Order: sequence, then C-alpha cells, then structure tokens
Amino acid sequence: DIQMTQSPSSLSASVGDRITITCRASQSINSWLAWYQQKAGKAPKLLIYKASSLESGVPSRFSASGSGTEFTLTISGLQPEDFATYYCQHYFSYPVTFGQGTKVDIK
Amino acid sequence: EVQLLDSGGALVQPGGSLRLSCAASGFTFSKFAMTWVRQAPGKGLEWVSTISDNGGNTYYADSVKGRFTVSRDNSQNTLYLQMNSLRAEDTAIYFCAKPPSTQVYLSHWGRGSLVTVSS
Repeated sequence: DIQMTQSPSSLSASVGDRITITCRASQSINSWLAWYQQKAGKAPKLLIYKASSLESGVPSRFSASGSGTEFTLTISGLQPEDFATYYCQHYFSYPVTFGQGTKVDIK
Repeated sequence: EVQLLDSGGALVQPGGSLRLSCAASGFTFSKFAMTWVRQAPGKGLEWVSTISDNGGNTYYADSVKGRFTVSRDNSQNTLYLQMNSLRAEDTAIYFCAKPPSTQVYLSHWGRGSLVTVSS
C-alpha cells in the first residue's frame, strides 16, 4: 500500500501569511494527488486535483505543485476562513490513502 | 445540484451489524463510481470502500475487508454499506462521496452518518 505522509502535522499562522504543507508518497504516484480542506464538524472540501489543478470555485490563493513522490499545497495570503485541517489523498491505485492531516490554526 | 444524503448511523454493540445508505440526487448516479470514507472521533480521514458505476467492481480497505460490503441500487440512486462484525475501532462518521469523473478523488460529499460501536 502507498503511504502518504504530511508535514507538518500542525502549524500556527497569522492572517496574511503564506504557508506551505508538504505531502510525500511512499512510492511514485505520478500526479494522482488531491488536496482537501476540512473544517470542524463538516465534510471535506476538494481544493486541488491532479496535483496542481484548482477545483472550480476555490480561491486562487490556493496553489499546489509536485509529481512523483513529493507534493506541496501553498496558501498565499491566509484568510480567516482558511483555518482548518488539510489532507492530501493519492488516487494512483487501490487502496486509496489519505495523509494524516495538517491542522492550521491562528497564531 | 448534487446531493448526497447519508443515513443509517446508530449505536450498535460490538459484533453487531448495521447498514448505511446514501441517497443521491442531482446527477446521473449510474455513471459514477461511489466511495465511502470514514473519520474516527478526532482522527483523520480513512478511505473505506469504492464501488464502480455498475457495481461490478468493489474495493476495500484492509481494515474492513471481509466484514463490510458496498453495494448500490442504480434504479433507486442509492449507495449502501453493509457493516458486519463491528468493532469499537469502526466507530466513526461515515461519509459517502462521489468523484467528478472516472478518477477516485472526491468532489462531492454527504454530511456523514455517525456509527458508534459500544456495549
């Protein structure tokens, strides 16, 4: 099974900051990676698919890159509504797996 | 508008069974694979199972293989998850979700259904 490892597990940031979350796969997954945002008590929301494609309706301050085994999600100009937990997910093969999550909270 | 309405969550004793349902609307249900994802209290997301559009192919996480069965009724636009031999570690919110295409990333999610396994 392909393991997904996110770092950091949590981070504190301020409104307006630029933050980067990293996701590493235990083997190459090409670009078959998605990113989700989840707020407390809510279902996850798709942000990014195919490693760097922005889902419709997602603000352009969200961007992502990577291929193979290393991927990043960047939020440029953190907004109050961005404080949440972020997950990566590979869909290269079954079983699909998620990273353990990165919680972004207010400094 | 795509809607996924999860239901069926309950308190069940260890070793018991439960069936979750997910009623879909707003899209052609029979054209999409469907997925169940769960989240234990305070924990991260865990993929549970995916079923192909026609139900002919099913995939399971090792943690539920042999105990859970995913199925669908395309005439009723409904997805199911039959859960048997439930364990305390199956306690979670169970989400049904759909992809936007043939890939297995998930663009639409239900609100989730809480399953609690406890005596």
